[in-house]
Amino acid sequence: DAGITQSPRYKITETGRQVTLMCHQTWSHSYMFWYRQDLGHGLRLIYYSAAADITDKGEVPDGYVVSRSKTENFPLTLESATRSQTSVYFCASSEPLRGGIQETQYFGPGTRLLVL
Amino acid sequence: AQSVSQHNHHVILSEAASLELGCNYSYGGTVNLFWYVQYPGQHLQLLLKYFSGDPLVKGIKGFEAEFIKSKFSFNLRKPSVQWSDTAEYFCAVNAGNAGNMLTFGGGTRLMVKP
Repeated sequence: DAGITQSPRYKITETGRQVTLMCHQTWSHSYMFWYRQDLGHGLRLIYYSAAADITDKGEVPDGYVVSRSKTENFPLTLESATRSQTSVYFCASSEPLRGGIQETQYFGPGTRLLVL
Repeated sequence: AQSVSQHNHHVILSEAASLELGCNYSYGGTVNLFWYVQYPGQHLQLLLKYFSGDPLVKGIKGFEAEFIKSKFSFNLRKPSVQWSDTAEYFCAVNAGNAGNMLTFGGGTRLMVKP
């Protein structure tokens, strides 16, 4: 089915471990985004990518690494997980309108990450 | 950097009551505005959006929002809520100087009592 998928949906890990969250979209959207959702903070942008091999920091990038070797995939890696990274992570994609106007972002189902 | 404020963190209503959720943003230039909804256990879905034109925007499921530029506001309304509207609602803004990034408000959790 077309859409945006995330894996795993649930993950428990320990402090200091490396964790990679996967995101895959089938629309060939140019832009992809990673957000974390925490109570009281809404969604905060971690990283985004305008195209393959182009990534940029968002509001809260520290402790995270991203890559985008293919348009359809945008993995997010926590190099050394910390308890403060316990959160729900959402991936999103969008295709800007002509002139670069932001179009709707489409969200994946989320990954619930617990760092012990 | 722009910011987005949603004044009500939690709202509890009875079915058939009217709803208005506030959203204010800080950027003074051209903006694109969005309301997203997250039903329990689900991902975010677009309710409605404003890019230009008529400041009163109608979305899905009977929701509407009004862009008032002078007040930097984009409040969400629904004349008569249903139990199925129980969800978390997020206002988001794309400012003209922010490329394709969205800034989200903190969200409002709506509970509709049957």
